[in-house]
Amino acid sequence: QLQLQESGSGLVKPSQTLSLTCAVSGGSISSGGYSWSWIRQPPGKGLEWIGYIYHSGSTYYNPSLKSRVTISVDRSKNQFSLKLSSVTAADTAVYYCASLSNIPFDYWGQGTLVTVSS
Amino acid sequence: QSALTQPRSVSGSPGQSVTISCTGTSSDVGGYNYVSWYQQHPGKAPKLMIYDVSKRPSGVPDRFSGSKSGNTASLTISGLQAEDEADYYCCSYAGSYTPSYVFGTGTKVTVL
Repeated sequence: QLQLQESGSGLVKPSQTLSLTCAVSGGSISSGGYSWSWIRQPPGKGLEWIGYIYHSGSTYYNPSLKSRVTISVDRSKNQFSLKLSSVTAADTAVYYCASLSNIPFDYWGQGTLVTVSS
Repeated sequence: QSALTQPRSVSGSPGQSVTISCTGTSSDVGGYNYVSWYQQHPGKAPKLMIYDVSKRPSGVPDRFSGSKSGNTASLTISGLQAEDEADYYCCSYAGSYTPSYVFGTGTKVTVL
């Protein structure tokens, strides 16, 4: 059974870059059956899909965030990462990592709150 | 890519049934049989309850069922229990040109 755990800075200044990592355990991140996704949830609001990286390395992003998002994989550490540039207060949210296979978002991390504030 | 539309809240007494709708377009809900539903308790990560419109992952009670008609998907909770009180989100594949996903606005289920 997969386990995912987010980590990274909980406070980011406006205009800077948000960086988060998701450590995967219980399986290989290189498994052909899985892709790896990021989803966020502003306080008191709904879920928003950010994007995902396919096991081949191909990436797919939410069109509304595409110009600012980069998702990458570090196979040596069995983890994947999210970078979101030029952040504003609107990017304040709980960020979740999740697995994506033929069953969408079946395993989730516990989530990490990122606050954008000076 | 607009969020799928869900009712803000639904409620029911223990033992009753409630249905949550999820309305999209022909580019998402109506175009693919890839609608999933997630349950989220306060302060917790979402949990997958239904995928591919009507399939239940192992461990999800059969009180939860899903369906779809046209551009609207539905989640029905039968025999409502206190622990079903939570927020519920639908999600649909929306990959007309490139793979993408869109979530619903979320519905608060209250057990009276």
